[in-house]
Amino acid sequence: QQQVKQSPQSLIVQKGGISIINCAYENTAFDYFPWYQQFPGKGPALLIAIRPDVSEKKEGRFTISFNKSAKQFSLHIMDSQPGDSATYFCAASMGGNMLTFGGGTRLMVKP
Amino acid sequence: NAGVMQNPRHLVRRRGQEARLRCSPMKGHSHVYWYRQLPEEGLKFMVYLQKENIIDESGMPKERFSAEFPKEGPSILRIQQVVRGDSAAYFCASSPQQDSGANVLTFGAGSRLTVL
Repeated sequence: QQQVKQSPQSLIVQKGGISIINCAYENTAFDYFPWYQQFPGKGPALLIAIRPDVSEKKEGRFTISFNKSAKQFSLHIMDSQPGDSATYFCAASMGGNMLTFGGGTRLMVKP
Repeated sequence: NAGVMQNPRHLVRRRGQEARLRCSPMKGHSHVYWYRQLPEEGLKFMVYLQKENIIDESGMPKERFSAEFPKEGPSILRIQQVVRGDSAAYFCASSPQQDSGANVLTFGAGSRLTVL
């Protein structure tokens, strides 16, 4: 019940396209859903996060969509750029910093 | 502001040796979290510490692994009698206050342990 399932494992998108990464969770006690971006050899960095009282949050080219009834949330990267090429992790927690991470999506944006 | 500092960045050990990984949290942060990332997998929570206290160690293997965060100095993750399955990247993260909602959790660059 602690699992967070993430898909796809890898994604190739053309420059300017939309990247979409999906996550699903089981534990209804989760109430904080962040997305992290990780470049090779670096630690994860917080990209954007959402709480279940809203269905969508947008920050620049990055948008989280949240569907509480389906227990799913997704990350949309608009106008994807080669610099967005990285591994993206969704995560969830019960309000604190003990995060349960998804398995990661390796995104490649082709010029 | 140097961020979360982890060392060593890379560590090679033979089976049966000990590995010690160190983490200095961001200035002003008093809460430290350790996560482990196995190859091609997501991060898994291991342990949450405050100064001189282990708050939650539910993700720590029961044997060979220990963690501490002394009053002075960095947090240390210690792995005794390492095995090949311990090969992973170990990430430390810090936050300024207790369970602040995770929006101020900052990760270090990680320590990559290779067990031969």
